[in-house]
This record gives sequence, C-alpha cells and structure tokens, in this order.
Amino acid sequence: GAVVSQHPSRVICKSGTSVKIECRSLDFQATTMFWYRQFPKQSLMLMATSNEGSKATYEQGVEKDKFLINHASLTLSTLTVTSAHPEDSSFYICSANRDMGTGYTFGSGTRLTVV
Amino acid sequence: AQKITQTQPGMFVQEKEAVTLDCTYDTSDPSYGLFWYKQPSSGEMIFLIYQGSYDQQNATEGRYSLNFQKARKSANLVISASQLGDSAMYFCAMRETLQGAQKLVFGQGTRLTINP
Repeated sequence: GAVVSQHPSRVICKSGTSVKIECRSLDFQATTMFWYRQFPKQSLMLMATSNEGSKATYEQGVEKDKFLINHASLTLSTLTVTSAHPEDSSFYICSANRDMGTGYTFGSGTRLTVV
Repeated sequence: AQKITQTQPGMFVQEKEAVTLDCTYDTSDPSYGLFWYKQPSSGEMIFLIYQGSYDQQNATEGRYSLNFQKARKSANLVISASQLGDSAMYFCAMRETLQGAQKLVFGQGTRLTINP
C-alpha cells in the first residue's frame, strides 16, 4: 500500500531558529502534497498545497515567507518553519495523493515545540 | 464559509451499539470526494471510507458505512457494533477541485467515546 514517511516525529527548537520537516512518499510518486497544521483538540487546517516542480499554493492567512515549502521531486516535499516562535508550536502533518481517487495517505505527523 | 461541518463535538456510546457521526458539506465542484478519517491519540490519520460524488451506492467498509444523501449534502458515517478501540477523533473531509487546484479540507471533528 501507499506509505508516506514524515520526519522528524518530534522536534524541540529554540525561538528564532528554523526547522525543516520532510515528507516522503515511499512507494509511489506524489504529484501533489498537502501540509496541515493541527492545534490541540482542533481540526487539521490546510496550510498549503505543493505541486512537484512548481510553487506551492498557500491558503489565506498562511505566511509563505515563514512556512517555506519545497517539492523538488515526485517523492519529497519539505516544510521549513523559519524564525520559529512559541506560537508556531503545533502538530504538522503532510498528506500525499497518488491519483485523483481515494489515494490520500498521511504522514505520521511532526510535533513541533518552540521554546 | 465552512466547507465541511461536523456538528457533534463529542459523542458517547455504549459498546456494541451503532453510532452515526454527522457531516454536511458545501461545494460548487460537481466532481468531489468525501472521506472519513479516524485519529487516535497518537495523531496518525487512519483512512476509513470514501464516497465519490457520482457513486450511486453508499460506500461500505466492514463496520463502517457512509450514508450519502447528495441532495441534502450530507455524508454521515455509521459505525456498527462499536468497540472500545473505536474511541478516537473522527474527521470528515472533502476533496474538491477549484480553478484547477485540488484541495482536501476537513471538518471540525467529533470525539467519539465508547463506554464499556
């Protein structure tokens, strides 16, 4: 079956530093990947859609300069949280789709804590 | 405007009973897809069931079935014979394509608790 690997699963960083989160589709090529953010006891909020070889499409209210997304290959998308602040602490989770059907697979998520 | 609405923040059900989790949606895309995911405390998103907008039959996957009422724009999840392990957050999601861009958006979620 389709597997999406997300790393790291947990990261603690100091305020002002940058953190990179990787999302890899292991056994399929993902033309589109989605990045979500989830605060405790809340839903997944779509941050951006990344398409291989082109710029990501950000949702309204998401700062593109703060959340840098790169989808350089059909199997890898990265989210970099730049100049992280405590309010960026959250659960970040990626999703990749293989086709337009039911093929949405999620990574296991990254819990980011900024201290 | 909310695209996906789940009106039940929490549900409490006795083990072995059936439970229905509500979901309504709104879209102008004629070709959309509806999903239900389960999220246990570990945070992983577990795919449960899918319904395409053109599917004539309601989707079923084991103990899960989707009550799809297209005219009402509702896609309720029915879990039969609930088990203690069903306790988790449940999210309804919709895939739509607008202006060539594909999106998968989620409802607010329902926390389901199964009591022994």
